[in-house]
Amino acid sequence: ILNVEQSPQSLHVQEGDSTNFTCSFPSSNFYALHWYRWETAKSPEALFVMTLNGDEKKKGRISATLNTKEGYSYLYIKGSQPEDSATYLCALARPASGSRLTFGEGTQLTVNP
Amino acid sequence: EPEVTQTPSHQVTQMGQEVILRCVPISNHLYFYWYRQILGQKVEFLVSFYNNEISEKSEIFDDQFSVERPDGSNFTLKIRSTKLEDSAMYFCASSEEKGLYGYTFGSGTRLTVV
Repeated sequence: ILNVEQSPQSLHVQEGDSTNFTCSFPSSNFYALHWYRWETAKSPEALFVMTLNGDEKKKGRISATLNTKEGYSYLYIKGSQPEDSATYLCALARPASGSRLTFGEGTQLTVNP
Repeated sequence: EPEVTQTPSHQVTQMGQEVILRCVPISNHLYFYWYRQILGQKVEFLVSFYNNEISEKSEIFDDQFSVERPDGSNFTLKIRSTKLEDSAMYFCASSEEKGLYGYTFGSGTRLTVV
């Protein structure tokens, strides 16, 4: 069974704080690692798709890193804002499984004003 | 920005009934997917569809489930003889390549089987 783990499960921070979460996955047969942002009552929104070991991607105040050898990815949010409040999901794609994504449980972030 | 549209947003059905969940993927996307999330659990893969046929399906996607792209724009998930444990949020998604640029998800259909 392929297990993708995310930590922490939930996080409460103050506006302006920087924060980060972890996604862990089996390092063998890696194809791609996706990050999605999911606000309540909306669609999950793609943030990053990362494929290369050492990849670092950035979108505004959000960035992500990837280590495929040890099987983890970090998502960082700099200067959190209340509108960053959402569940952040990571999902693993493997070459053998084609387009199937295996999701983690998500990290629920709440940013207090 | 192009969107994936799902209808209905909520569906309540009696156990044993058939339901059809509808999706309109992004028009130039080639790969289509159904995922679901049972309350309190992880989002899980059901099926992927490419070139008018199923390209991959999960262990969940048994004979009770079927997918169709009847008219080149809609993509449907049919669940026959629904069970209580089919209650979940069902998400449709589409992508250009095999997800290399991320998937575009719809906002989901919440299915409640009573």
